Formats: sequence, C-alpha cells, structure tokens
Amino acid sequence: EAGVTQSPRYAVLQEGQAVSFWCDPISGHDTLYWYQQPRDQGPQLLVYFRDEAVIDNSQLPSDRFSAVRPKGTNSTLKIQSAKQGDTATYLCASSFEGQQDTQYFGPGTRLLVL
Amino acid sequence: GQQVQQSPTSLVLQEGENAELQCNFSTSLNSMQWFYQRPGGSLISVFYNPSGTKQSGRLTSTTVIKERRSSLHISSSQITDSGTYLCAMDLSSGSWQLIFGSGTQLTVMP
Repeated sequence: EAGVTQSPRYAVLQEGQAVSFWCDPISGHDTLYWYQQPRDQGPQLLVYFRDEAVIDNSQLPSDRFSAVRPKGTNSTLKIQSAKQGDTATYLCASSFEGQQDTQYFGPGTRLLVL
Repeated sequence: GQQVQQSPTSLVLQEGENAELQCNFSTSLNSMQWFYQRPGGSLISVFYNPSGTKQSGRLTSTTVIKERRSSLHISSSQITDSGTYLCAMDLSSGSWQLIFGSGTQLTVMP
C-alpha cells in the first residue's frame, strides 16, 4: 500500500512569489490534514478536511493561504505572495474515519522563502 | 503559552545509554501520541498511549492523563535511534486535532 505522497519535495522562492503544494493521501482515507513545521518546532495544524469539506481552517492565514480538496482525494495547499516567515516544512497527513487516532504523514515539502 | 512542553530540547548519548524524554500538557487531553522523525523524513507514530504504560522493544511509554504528563524511555540506545521525538495530544473535544510539542532532538554517538 502506497503511503502519503507529496510534491514537490523542495521549493525555493523570493518573497512575493506564489507556490502550490500537492498531497496524495492513502487510498480510502477520508480525512486529510495540512501542517506547517517551522525549523526546530513541532508541526502546527493549518487545516483539515473530511472528504471534500473543510472541517477546521481556523489556523490557516486566510489572506495568503488557501487549501482545497475538490474530489475528496488529492489536496492542494497554495501560498500567495510568500513571506520569509513562511519558511518551513509543510506536511500532509491522512487518516481513516473509525481510526482517527492514527495519522499517516507524508515526507513533507521543505519551503525556503528568501 | 505552549500547550505541550517537551524536555529536554536536545540530548546526546553514548551508544548503550538510556534516555528519558518528558512531555507535559497544560490543558486536559483525550489522549496522546509519541512520534519519531528523521531529518527530512516523515513522522512515524511510535506509541498511541491514552494512559498507562506501553512497551515496544526498547521503547516504553508511560502516560498519566490526570497528571497531564507522559514519558518515553529508550533503553540501550543505538545510533539508529537518533532523530527527533515529538509528543502530541488529542484535544478533549474529540476533533482529532493533534497539538505537538517542539520535540527532543536525540543524538546517539558511537
């Protein structure tokens, strides 16, 4: 069974540029999470979906960040006009209803904003 | 303030030594988990431990929910144990949102 996959693995931007991250969760997992992990810190939840619906996006900086999961499978996280403070690893995780205590994480996308 | 505090921030051991990692929570929680992360790697769940003591090989996790603390004990450490250990709590709201600590960076030297 394939795990959670993410792309790209690395991204380097100038401030003000936009970037999109993609996540392909484990097949059959209905819940998908996006986390931001700054260097030397733990992951912080940005947004999570159940199927195509956003359940909680209260930690997502809505003026520049957006996330979608239109068909309830793959998801895209986009940053408009990146700032240096966005430098972090962006992790995607998925889980299955009925086993919500187990989240499977992807390898992450490491973003550097210059 | 931080809801999940881990200690120590970093730890350097000689191979064969034991390690004790601590996690303290400032709010009530439903359950907690320990994760392991290699540099540039995915997080891997090590223990899901709502309460009590669980053991897996050289790793032992002890959680006391009402005291809002958990520990991870690594016995006879090996070089391959090096990496970051993160604890995370599930909020009591049952929303399955994980709140992570900042992690303990463990380095095991030969």
